[in-house]
Amino acid sequence: GEDVEQSLFLSVREGDSSVINCTYTDSSSTYLYWYKQEPGAGLQLLTYIFSNMDMKQDQRLTVLLNKKDKHLSLRIADTQTGDSAIYFCAERVYSSASKIIFGSGTRLSIRP
Amino acid sequence: EAGVAQSPRYKIIEKRQSVAFWCNPISGHATLYWYQQILGQGPKLLIQFQNNGVVDDSQLPKDRFSAERLKGVDSTLKIQPAKLEDSAVYLCASSTDGAGYGYTFGSGTRLTVV
Repeated sequence: GEDVEQSLFLSVREGDSSVINCTYTDSSSTYLYWYKQEPGAGLQLLTYIFSNMDMKQDQRLTVLLNKKDKHLSLRIADTQTGDSAIYFCAERVYSSASKIIFGSGTRLSIRP
Repeated sequence: EAGVAQSPRYKIIEKRQSVAFWCNPISGHATLYWYQQILGQGPKLLIQFQNNGVVDDSQLPKDRFSAERLKGVDSTLKIQPAKLEDSAVYLCASSTDGAGYGYTFGSGTRLTVV
């Protein structure tokens, strides 16, 4: 089946690291993604990881993939107020066509 | 490069009325997607076009929703008649063929059905 699950809320202190977790069900997924959505805006692709990778780092972002457990995480180092947003985990699946399936999103709030 | 353009930005209609949304994808992107995002949920794919042909419309409520992509560029999504549960943000996205690196999304059209 096609399902992506993530926790709904995360609150962190400014300057700390944020870790957002996600699980997915389709073992044939080739790409996994993290999108960011700010209030009133569309979705912005933050980063993606190919399924044969365990880790990908891009400046303050670190993506970890555990393919055996179908677990994906996004770590944001030195979290800033501008990181407040909803973060969506997504996987690329193949049924009748290739498409991206999204989780319900994790709302990240930053405490001063 | 210019992004994915959508209009209108907001729309309020009464139930049973009809409404149409427009999307202009990034130039050269062959694949176009319409997603529905209900408040508090992740986006759900409604329909996917490859050039001007439909490749996946399995989640499109075809009794009331329709979409077309003429000449493989712009696309229109229509709802007729609208129901209260259609209140959502309708997102258009585009990609090049086989874009494993993800889609580019427009800012969306927020529809409120009263």
